[in-house]
Amino acid sequence: SQTIHQWPATLVQPVGSPLSLECTVEGTSNPNLYWYRQAAGRGLQLLFYSVGIGQISSEVPQNLSASRPQDRQFILSSKKLLLSDSGFYLCAWSTGEAFFGQGTRLTVV
Amino acid sequence: QQPVQSPQAVILREGEDAVINCSSSKALYSVHWYRQKHGEAPVFLMILLKGGEQKGHEKISASFNEKKQQSSLYLTASQLSYSGTYFCAYREVTSGTYKYIFGTGTRLKVLA
Repeated sequence: SQTIHQWPATLVQPVGSPLSLECTVEGTSNPNLYWYRQAAGRGLQLLFYSVGIGQISSEVPQNLSASRPQDRQFILSSKKLLLSDSGFYLCAWSTGEAFFGQGTRLTVV
Repeated sequence: QQPVQSPQAVILREGEDAVINCSSSKALYSVHWYRQKHGEAPVFLMILLKGGEQKGHEKISASFNEKKQQSSLYLTASQLSYSGTYFCAYREVTSGTYKYIFGTGTRLKVLA
């Protein structure tokens, strides 16, 4: 069966520090991968999606970037975090319906 | 572009029923429903693929009116475990793939 791993579960980072969140999928090949962000009490905002290695589409121009170095690996990065980057970051994979990882709660202080 | 859900929030007593509506300004070819418990990731509930289709999942069912670009989620005889935020979503085809656009969300609280 397919599983999706996302880490870390929680992260507290100072403003201006870099960020790297990793997501890996097991049990499937060539999945569509997605990064979403959810502000406290709000909905799900699509940040990036990827259909294959090295192929990244950005939905919202901002302080973040994404990369897909391997088929089942999706990384969300930032060179310098802003306070507004705080939120709940969710990785998802899909071959039909979207299934989410457990999320990373990022607090920028 | 984001589907609008109503109501924004609802409080129920155990055993009561609720309806959550999802309305889109774009043509819908399918509707997905998710439930997110506090502090957790959204969990897929069901997908409706055809206009007029109805599906059920335990005591949770949904309908999809393709012509009206609307879907409704029905929670019957609610249980404490139904508490959470419900999202509808649609799949948008783009550049040879698809992305999921989620609705505004409905917070549901079931009280004992």
